[in-house]
Amino acid sequence: DADVTQTPRNRITKTGKRIMLECSQTKGHDRMYWYRQDPGLGLRLIYYSFDVKDINKGEISDGYSVSRQAQAKFSLSLESAIPNQTALYFCATSDGTPRSNQPQHFGDGTRLSIL
Amino acid sequence: GDSVTQMEGPVTLSEEAFLTINCTYTATGYPSLFWYVQYPGEGLQLLLKATKADDKGSNKGFEATYRKETTSFHLEKGSVQVSDSAVYFCALGRTSGTYKYIFGTGTRLKVLA
Repeated sequence: DADVTQTPRNRITKTGKRIMLECSQTKGHDRMYWYRQDPGLGLRLIYYSFDVKDINKGEISDGYSVSRQAQAKFSLSLESAIPNQTALYFCATSDGTPRSNQPQHFGDGTRLSIL
Repeated sequence: GDSVTQMEGPVTLSEEAFLTINCTYTATGYPSLFWYVQYPGEGLQLLLKATKADDKGSNKGFEATYRKETTSFHLEKGSVQVSDSAVYFCALGRTSGTYKYIFGTGTRLKVLA
């Protein structure tokens, strides 16, 4: 089984709909992240969480919200989807105390299309 | 602010050719540097990392050296294979202030048989 699992893997929906993307991990990591990937733009950070009580906005948080339901679960919501939120979304986790430099571990992504 | 710049692709090579993908960074403090690889339909996987100046990360025949004097972390491989076709991302992990990662825009590599 994958260490970082994202559901669904693909989703097509309409403008204005509320959508939730889910991420769960079995790595026991405290830190979790949501990114979106767009061609030519690389990965951009949407939100990140360093523990259950710690939620932080990333560089492109407008139009998104998150919930950290447990150490192992971190969900991303689009309250009212719009077409320019069509992208590939990745969840990632990392371990580490402050000042550590551990790599991130990624899920396989959710391809979201908004019509 | 901190940033990562990597060469634009796509890069197309013949099998057994030498590969270089350039990556330079701007950062305060002493970041760690990473290369990730993304195969079609998959998430990013760590390829190699280096945590301090002059460190060399290596894995699967790929290498990259942390050069603080040139703020670079170029990825190299002596002989590429068709199976190396993927998108490669350079990233830094910032340790000053709020710890998070910054990614380059990715470089697509296509290796032809």
